[in-house]
Amino acid sequence: KQEVTQIPAALSVPEGENLVLNCSFTDSAIYNLQWFRQDPGKGLTSLLLIQSSQREQTSGRLNASLDKSSGRSTLYIAASQPGDSATYLCAVLSGSARQLTFGSGTQLTVLP
Amino acid sequence: DVKVTQSSRYLVKRTGEKVFLECVQDMDHENMFWYRQDPGLGLRLIYFSYDVKMKEKGDIPEGYSVSREKKERFSLILESASTNQTSMYLCASIPTGRRFGQPQHFGDGTRLSIL
Repeated sequence: KQEVTQIPAALSVPEGENLVLNCSFTDSAIYNLQWFRQDPGKGLTSLLLIQSSQREQTSGRLNASLDKSSGRSTLYIAASQPGDSATYLCAVLSGSARQLTFGSGTQLTVLP
Repeated sequence: DVKVTQSSRYLVKRTGEKVFLECVQDMDHENMFWYRQDPGLGLRLIYFSYDVKMKEKGDIPEGYSVSREKKERFSLILESASTNQTSMYLCASIPTGRRFGQPQHFGDGTRLSIL
């Protein structure tokens, strides 16, 4: 059964710093990996989706990488801003399942 | 933009009540999902549906049922609510026929409390 782990569980950084969020998964036979953002009391907003054949995806200040063989993905946020404060979740689509398996998330706080 | 709308943001019900959570999407997506989110447990899939009147169990279907009478609407039903069903419920949809290539779109969630 696929398991997804996110480290750290919480992270606090000063504004302007570059930071990396980590995601690991146990079964490397994935179709894709998706990063989401969740604000308190809200639903999930899709940030980036990486297909299994891709190595990375970029959107603005966000860059997500995928190393399928090692079961790892990273989300890089450049020049962090207080508005980036949220919980970031990664999820993988894998196996014969038609669903995403989610990590527990990293709660990011960017201090002004 | 895809819009996934959940009928209630907050809901308080009593033990034993039958509870309906409604989800509507406006982009003609065939695939819809219900998750619950709990601290320390993350998101877990309850049920999903790939077409009208079609449903499949997710990881934690016990105590729940679903209804998909129209393509745009996917309802989650708690047949007899219990306190352990207090949670945040999230609905999602993805485009037709491209399950593996497109991101899931989520509603804002329903925070359900069972007293």
